[in-house]
Amino acid sequence: QKEVEQNSGPLSVPEGAIASLNCTYSDRGSQSFFWYRQYSGKSPELIMFIYSNGDKEDGRFTAQLNKASQYVSLLIRDSQPSDSATYLCAVTGRRALTFGSGTRLQVQP
Amino acid sequence: GAVVSQHPSWVICKSGTSVKIECRSLDFQATTMFWYRQFPKQSLMLMATSNEGSKATYEQGVEKDKFLINHASLTLSTLTVTSAHPEDSSFYICSALPGGSSYNSPLHFGNGTRLTVT
Repeated sequence: QKEVEQNSGPLSVPEGAIASLNCTYSDRGSQSFFWYRQYSGKSPELIMFIYSNGDKEDGRFTAQLNKASQYVSLLIRDSQPSDSATYLCAVTGRRALTFGSGTRLQVQP
Repeated sequence: GAVVSQHPSWVICKSGTSVKIECRSLDFQATTMFWYRQFPKQSLMLMATSNEGSKATYEQGVEKDKFLINHASLTLSTLTVTSAHPEDSSFYICSALPGGSSYNSPLHFGNGTRLTVT
C-alpha cells in the first residue's frame, strides 16, 4: 500500500467549474497535510496546508481533512485554465514530507 | 520569506563524471535540508535528509556513496552525483527547513535541477 494515494487523472473540468481533488494516506500518525501545484518541468509550489479536521479556505481553494477516514481533499472554485497542472498531496508526521503521485488537472476553456 | 535557491537549473554531463548541485536558503538559516528526486511522470521521492554539521540520513535504496551530501553551513547544502550514469538522469529538487521548525512545517522548494547524463 502506498503511503499517499491519489488518482492520477487527468481530471478534466470546464472553466468556471469546481475541481475536486482527493487523497488518502495510510499512516494514522500523520499530522500535517499539504497540497502542492506543479507545472510541467517546474518545482512544486505550496498552495495549502491543513493540520486539523474540517475545512480551511484560502481564496478559491479549500482544503478538507478527515483524519478518521484518513482522507484529505482540495477544492478549486471557479477553475481557470491557468489552474491546469499536477496537484500533489503530501503528508508529514513520523517521517519527512511524503508525496502522492499527483493528479493531473485540465481546465477546459 | 523562505526562499530556496538551487543551482544549476540544468546540467548535461557525460557518463562517469560527477556533478555538484547547490541548494541555498537565501533569507533564513536552515538546519535541515531535504533532497528529492523526480523521474518523468512520477512523484517526488525523498532521497536524503541533511542536517547542518552532521551526516545525512539516506532513504532506503539510495546509495550514500553515489549521492554525496554536504551541509557544511546553515545556508548551503550540496548534492554530488558521483560517477553519473544515464539512469541518474532526473529532476533533483531541494527544500530547506528554517531553524526551530518541525517536520510538520510547510516546505518550500528550490527551482530544481534537471540532470541529463549522456
